[in-house]
Amino acid sequence: SQTIHQWPATLVQPVGSPLSLECTVEGTSNPNLYWYRQAAGRGLQLLFYSVGIGQISSEVPQNLSASRPQDRQFILSSKKLLLSDSGFYLCAWSVPGQGWAEAFFGQGTRLTVV
Amino acid sequence: QKEVEQNSGPLSVPEGAIASLNCTYSDRGSQSFFWYRQYSGKSPELIMSIYSNGDKEDGRFTAQLNKASQYVSLLIRDSQPSDSATYLCAVTNTGGFKTIFGAGTRLFVKA
Repeated sequence: SQTIHQWPATLVQPVGSPLSLECTVEGTSNPNLYWYRQAAGRGLQLLFYSVGIGQISSEVPQNLSASRPQDRQFILSSKKLLLSDSGFYLCAWSVPGQGWAEAFFGQGTRLTVV
Repeated sequence: QKEVEQNSGPLSVPEGAIASLNCTYSDRGSQSFFWYRQYSGKSPELIMSIYSNGDKEDGRFTAQLNKASQYVSLLIRDSQPSDSATYLCAVTNTGGFKTIFGAGTRLFVKA
């Protein structure tokens, strides 16, 4: 069966510090991978998605970046965090292909920028 | 126009009643539609998927899809306090590469 791992679960970082969140998927090959952010009391905002190694699509211009160095690894980074980067970050994966793409989520990382 | 729209609620129903949650979407080429449940502080979990017009039932849950009207709904029968959560409607874009979520509807089931 497929599993998705996301870490850390919680993170408190000062403004201006760097960020690196990692996500890995097991039990499947060439998954579509996603990073979402959910601000307090808000819906899920799609930040990045990837359909293959090195292929990253950005949905929202911001100071975040994503990379996919390996087939089942997805990394979210920032060089300098802003207060507005606080939120619940969720990694997700789906089976590639048209017509159906249920997204399955990791446990999430709650980031607080202070 | 937002890509996926939901009434934010909160929707309050008594225990045992039917809860009706609605969603509209803008991408006419969308082919896949999902409902997720999210408890406070947790990640979303998939509860229903639907791909063709009509109704799809799974236990106490029924998803309804009308592509002509670009409308998806979720009915929860015999609502329980444990159903209290935020329900997220999600739609894949044309091509199925990405899933776009609505802002969610908060549901409260009163005991």
